Amino acid sequence: EIVLTQSPGTLSLSPGERATLSCRASQSVAGSYFGWYQQKPGQAPRLLIYGASYRATGIPDRFSGSGSGTDFTLTITRLEPEDFAVYYCHHYGSSPQFGQGTKVEIK
Amino acid sequence: QVQLVQSGAEVKKPGASVKVSCKASGYSFSTYAMHWVRQAPGQRLEWMGWINAGNGNTQYSQQLQGRVTITRDTSASTAYMELSSLRSEDTAVYYCARVRAGTGSFDYWGQGTLVTVSS
Repeated sequence: EIVLTQSPGTLSLSPGERATLSCRASQSVAGSYFGWYQQKPGQAPRLLIYGASYRATGIPDRFSGSGSGTDFTLTITRLEPEDFAVYYCHHYGSSPQFGQGTKVEIK
Repeated sequence: QVQLVQSGAEVKKPGASVKVSCKASGYSFSTYAMHWVRQAPGQRLEWMGWINAGNGNTQYSQQLQGRVTITRDTSASTAYMELSSLRSEDTAVYYCARVRAGTGSFDYWGQGTLVTVSS
């Protein structure tokens, strides 16, 4: 079973700053089945990135995904107030897995 | 527009079963897989299993195998998740989620159903 480990656990930043979130897989995974989700309190997760680097419908271009193999990154170029949330990486394999999440909080 | 609407919150006693529904609209129900994911308080998202809404084939998480059953009613465009032998650790928000074709990503989610297991 693939394990996804996200870092850091919490990121304290100010609006307008750049956020870089990492996700490492315990073994090499197919980028085509790798994604990122945003979750705000009391809400369902929202798909941001699929196929490692493709933005989902309606997602602003300040969000970008990159990576391959075991290392993937989500970048938010300029944080907006609505971007403060928890972010999860995800791999859709025979047993889909999620990372433990990175909380992006206001500094 | 695509919508997944889940049934309401449940409170169950240990050892009981719970069945959560997920009614889909805005797309052809039978042509997409439906997954179930849960989230215990303060915990990461946990995948539970999925159903091919077209032919009814299912696959379940090894951790929940034997306790979880996912079914569907194509005439009602509704998927169901039943979890038996409930324990306090099963207290969580349960989500249904549709898979985006060809990508394995969950592009639409239900609003979530809180299941509380307490004596």
